[in-house]
Amino acid sequence: DSGVTQTPKHLITATGQRVTLRCSPRSGDLSVYWYQQSLDQGLQFLIQYYNGEERAKGNILERFSAQQFPDLHSELNLSSLELGDSALYFCASSVGGVGELFFGEGSRLTVL
Amino acid sequence: EDKVVQSPLSLVVHEGDTVTLNCSYEVTNFRSLLWYKQEKKAPTFLFMLTSSGIEKKSGRLSSILDKKELFSILNITATQTGDSAVYLCAGGYPGAGSYQLTFGKGTKLSVIP
Repeated sequence: DSGVTQTPKHLITATGQRVTLRCSPRSGDLSVYWYQQSLDQGLQFLIQYYNGEERAKGNILERFSAQQFPDLHSELNLSSLELGDSALYFCASSVGGVGELFFGEGSRLTVL
Repeated sequence: EDKVVQSPLSLVVHEGDTVTLNCSYEVTNFRSLLWYKQEKKAPTFLFMLTSSGIEKKSGRLSSILDKKELFSILNITATQTGDSAVYLCAGGYPGAGSYQLTFGKGTKLSVIP
């Protein structure tokens, strides 16, 4: 158990809908990262927050947004969902600085 | 654009075999190379290498980094069925007030009895 908690574990929804994925980082970790993993693309970095502030953006679509709250949990909002958004979404946390990331179990999103 | 390339993409071996997984990288402002093991869900951390030529070991797993040739290898000796997983490597670099990882697509290792 990495100490990073993600909910929900599984989510099935329809095209055009909006969903919110939630992540609670390890105790003491200030950085939260969101990654998307699909079969052919591997782990793709989406966005990172550090102590409530956005620090880096990767290949995140405009339909997606995220935030980190004062209690350091983070939410990833996915809207106007398309079939291609079906993937495993991981949250990871770290203390910050140079070091390994600790991953949650992921949220598997299926868009029908 | 930064990239991390792993080879082979998949590998099937018998228990007891020794395997070598390869990772080459082109990462701007590279600082470290990380290896993760992904079994069913969450990637779990194996090694972080920052210095060239210094081997890191954990049991039957070992890894080394060559910063001149921009690659790393992960060795697994006396493989067991429990080693079956996708092994991911990632290049780490400092971003704007943050630390970023660029991942390869992974090597899927299957160990058969």
